[in-house]
Parts: sequence; structure tokens; C-alpha cells
Amino acid sequence: GENVEQHPSTLSVQEGDSAVIKCTYSDSASNYFPWYKQELGKGPQLIIDIRSNVGEKKDQRIAVTLNKTAKHFSLHITETQPEDSAVYFCAASIASGTYKYIFGTGTRLKVLA
Amino acid sequence: DAGVIQSPRHEVTEMGQEVTLRCKPISGHNSLFWYRQTMMRGLELLIYFNNNVPIDDSGMPEDRFSAKMPNASFSTLKIQPSEPRDSAVYFCASSQDSEQYFGPGTRLTVT
Repeated sequence: GENVEQHPSTLSVQEGDSAVIKCTYSDSASNYFPWYKQELGKGPQLIIDIRSNVGEKKDQRIAVTLNKTAKHFSLHITETQPEDSAVYFCAASIASGTYKYIFGTGTRLKVLA
Repeated sequence: DAGVIQSPRHEVTEMGQEVTLRCKPISGHNSLFWYRQTMMRGLELLIYFNNNVPIDDSGMPEDRFSAKMPNASFSTLKIQPSEPRDSAVYFCASSQDSEQYFGPGTRLTVT
């Protein structure tokens, strides 16, 4: 079945450093890849997304890259700040014509002040 | 916009009791999703609706779980009878297109 693998499961960085989270997906028909940030006690918040016709997208300190051939996509956070500490989830759409996602298992990011 | 609204935020109940979780999607959104989040299984899609019609309920764990969407602004997820293994955080999300927006969740504890 469809699967999304996410690494690492935990990541600690010093404030100001960059953080990279990587995901791989199995369904070659996936065409939409969102990233969510979940803070303690809250629901996942959409922070950036990318579609299969684009290789890279950037929004201020956050960027996402997509390699469709390798079925890899990554989240890059630059100049990390303590408020970036949270759990981050990647997801991939399942086939076309549906709105279902498969989520990765999450990465707990800690930004050390 | 108030975002997706869920109630209650916390629910503690005894095994065997009926539990009803409620969701109000973002106005104008035509798809609604119910998810369950646990440490062991992560985020699992239970069911989703499009234009108030259930499209895919393959994630509903068993017959004890049921979901309804009587109109575009309201949905319920019911568990009857509840069991301790149902303890989890249940999220509702809505979308107009690809982007799904999540509510704050309902933390359910079944003792």
C-alpha cells in the first residue's frame, strides 16, 4: 500500500542553524505534498506545500524541495528560532481525484537557545 | 475566519458509554476529514466527506465508529460503545481544494 517515510524522528539544532527533514513516498501518482507543524496541545498547522510540477518552493525561512524521480521531498528551515520547536509532519496525496493524504510519522524538532 | 471548530476539547468517559465528537468546518469548504492521532499509530484518516457525502470510510476501525454530515456546516463522529483503546486525539479537518486545515482536536480518554 501507499507509504510515506520520514526522517529523522527527532532533531536538535542550535538556534540560528538550519534544520532539514526528509520524506520519501511510494505512490508515483502522488501530486501534492504538504508540510504541517504541530505544537503541543494543538492541531497540525499547514506551513508550506508543493505540487508535483514544481521542484522547489520557498516562504521566508522555510523551503521545500521535491525530487519526483527519486520520490523524495524535504523541508528546510533556515535561521531556526526557539519558536520553531514543534513536531513536523510531511504528507503525500494518494493518487489523483481524491483528497486523501498519507502522513509521515513526524519529526520532533528542538531548537536550543 | 474562526477556522475549524471542534467540541468538546476534552472528553473523559467510562468504557461502554457512547461518545459524540462534533466538528464545524470552515465556511465554504466542501470536504471534511476525521483523523485519529495516537503515539503508536500517528495520524490516521478515519473517514472523509465531499459535499456532505461519505467518500471513503476505509479507515473507520470497526462498527462501533460512525460518522455523519447532515449539512455543510456540521459533522459528528460517534463511538458506541467506547473502549479504552479508543483513547486518542481526534481531529477534524476541512478543505476547499488540496489544502486541509485542522481543528484543535478532541482529546478522548476512555477509562
